[in-house]
Formats: sequence, structure tokens, C-alpha cells
Amino acid sequence: QVQLVQSGAEVKKPGASVKVSCKASGYTFTSHYMHWVRQAPGQGLEWMGVINAGGGSIIYAQKFQGRVTLTSDTSTSTVYMDLSSLRSEDTAVYYCARDFSWNEKCWWFDPWGQGTLVTVSS
Amino acid sequence: SSELTQDPAVSVALGQTVRITCQGDSLRSFYASWYQQKPGQAPVLVFYGENNRPSGIPDRFSGSSSGNTASLTVTGAQAEDEADYYCNSRDISAYHWVFGGGTKLTVL
Repeated sequence: QVQLVQSGAEVKKPGASVKVSCKASGYTFTSHYMHWVRQAPGQGLEWMGVINAGGGSIIYAQKFQGRVTLTSDTSTSTVYMDLSSLRSEDTAVYYCARDFSWNEKCWWFDPWGQGTLVTVSS
Repeated sequence: SSELTQDPAVSVALGQTVRITCQGDSLRSFYASWYQQKPGQAPVLVFYGENNRPSGIPDRFSGSSSGNTASLTVTGAQAEDEADYYCNSRDISAYHWVFGGGTKLTVL
């Protein structure tokens, strides 16, 4: 079955970087884009960016432009989210989610990874 | 505007019907998708597009759209439907994606 398995929890100091992985299985990896979404404690979902897993286009949310880097390794069916210059406000659960789209009118995310907690604390 | 607006909380009596709404300019051009999130769990897709329910999602979940508003309706709400619900769509620029702020559904 389709699965997205993310790397484990991380604790980082302010100013450091974190790299979260998302390994896909059960489908043709290069046929789908992959989104990254985060959720701060007690808060809602926040879209961060999307990458064409097969290579090519990447779009970042304006809020994270310059601090986030999305990459894809087709040899291991894994996408990565690298967030730099971490601050306490980046403490959140980070999710990857597979993209589907139809007719340039509708997009949906299914499934989602289990989430990775990143804690930023001195 | 690139925002999607949801009521923060709604409640419904067990077995009754509830509608969760999502408003935004982008919904005049694009369809919404809806996600259910229970505490400590990842979001799960429950409805998308004009009339699409993923396999495994009970048919008491349905969706609709009119103008700048998308709606998720739960007909005959069950205790297990108590969760946070988020809408999502591409933003009006068609360049990014955006989530609504979420609606906490309480089943009384």
C-alpha cells in the first residue's frame, strides 16, 4: 500500500538547520509532486512548499523563501525538507503529503506522512 | 485574498447533521479539499473536488461548493467524527496552496 515514512524527532538549537526525510513506497515515486506542511503546537496547518519528486519544479511559500530547501532522491524514493536558521517559532510537527491534481482545478494531498516533531530550544 | 476562512468551532448533537464551511476568493476558481485531524494524528483526506470521497471514508461525509464558499457536510454525525477539519485550495495566484484555519467539531 502507499506509504510515506518520515524520519524521527529532532531537537535543535536556535540558528541551526534541520533536515527531515520522507520515504515513499507503494507507488511510482516520480509521478507525483510532494508537499510539506507544518503544524505548530495547538495551531493549524501551514503549507510550506512543494517539489516535483521526479525533478524540476519546486515552489516555496513566501514565508519560508530563503530558509527552506526541498530536494528529491529518485534512487531511494525519498524527499527531503531542509530548514535553516531555526528559531523557537519553528517548533512544530512537519508533514510530507503526496499531491494529486485534476484538470488544473482541484488538488488534494493523500496520504500524509506520520509527521516529524522538530523542537527548537536553547 | 489568498486566505481561506473557517469557523473556529462548531458542535452537533449525535446523529444530527452539521455543515462546516470554508470561504475564500480562490474557491471561485478552484475546488477545495478537506482533511480530518484527530489529536496526535496526521491529517486524513475526507473529501475533495466537486463530489469525491476517498475509499474508506464513510458516505456520511459529503461536500459542495457555491461561489466563494466550500462546505463539508456530515450527515448523521458519530462520536468518532469529533476532530479538527481543515480545508485547502490553491491560492488565487494559482502559485501557492493555502489551508483554512481549521474547525473543531464537537459531537455532543
